[in-house]
Amino acid sequence: AQRVTQPEKLLSVFKGAPVELKCNYSYSGSPELFWYVQYSRQRLQLLLRHISRESIKGFTADLNKGETSFHLKKPFAQEEDSAMYYCALREYGNKLVFGAGTILRVKS
Amino acid sequence: SQTIHQWPATLVQPVGSPLSLECTVEGTSNPNLYWYRQAAGRGLQLLFYSVGIGQISSEVPQNLSASRPQDRQFILSSKKLLLSDSGFYLCAWSGGGWEQYFGPGTRLTVT
Repeated sequence: AQRVTQPEKLLSVFKGAPVELKCNYSYSGSPELFWYVQYSRQRLQLLLRHISRESIKGFTADLNKGETSFHLKKPFAQEEDSAMYYCALREYGNKLVFGAGTILRVKS
Repeated sequence: SQTIHQWPATLVQPVGSPLSLECTVEGTSNPNLYWYRQAAGRGLQLLFYSVGIGQISSEVPQNLSASRPQDRQFILSSKKLLLSDSGFYLCAWSGGGWEQYFGPGTRLTVT
C-alpha cells in the first residue's frame, strides 16, 4: 500500500535558520507528491507540487526517487512560516494519501 | 469563485447518538468530493470520496457512512457514535485537475 511518512511531529527552529521538513514515501508507480500547509485558524491549502518545480514562499521540495523522499526546504525560516505541514501522495484518480504532519515552530 | 462550506464547526455528542455533518460546494459543478478525518498523530485519513451523485466509495471500514444527495452536497453520517469517532473532519473538493480544496473542518468530540 502507498504510504507517506513524516518522521517529525514537531520541528522547532529559530528565525533565520534553515528548515527541512522530511517526507518519505512508498509507491509502486511514478509518484506525484505535494506539500499542503495549514496556518493557524486557516484552511488546509496547497503549498507546492513536485511537478511544477517552483518555489513558493521561499520553500522548495525536490523529488528524490532513489531515496523515495520529498523533503521541504527553506534556507531562512520566518515567523510566519509557523504552521502544520502535510506531505501528500496522489493515488489513482484524485485521491491523496497524507502523512501524519509536522508542526513547524519558528522562534524569534 | 468556488467556495466550500462545512457545518457545524464544532460538535459535542454522546456515545450512541447519531451524527450528520454537511458539506456544500458553490461555484462549480460535478466536483469530486472527499471526507477526511484527522486524528491526533495520524495525519489525514481519507474516509469517503464521490465522483457523482449517489456514487460513494469507502476507503476504510468504520462506523460512518456518506451520502451525496445533490451534486454539490456531501453528508457524513453515523447511526451510533463511538468514542473513537472523535476527531477533526475535513471535506474537500476537486475539479478536473489534481488540486484539492479544503473546507474549514468540523471538530467532533464524542463523550
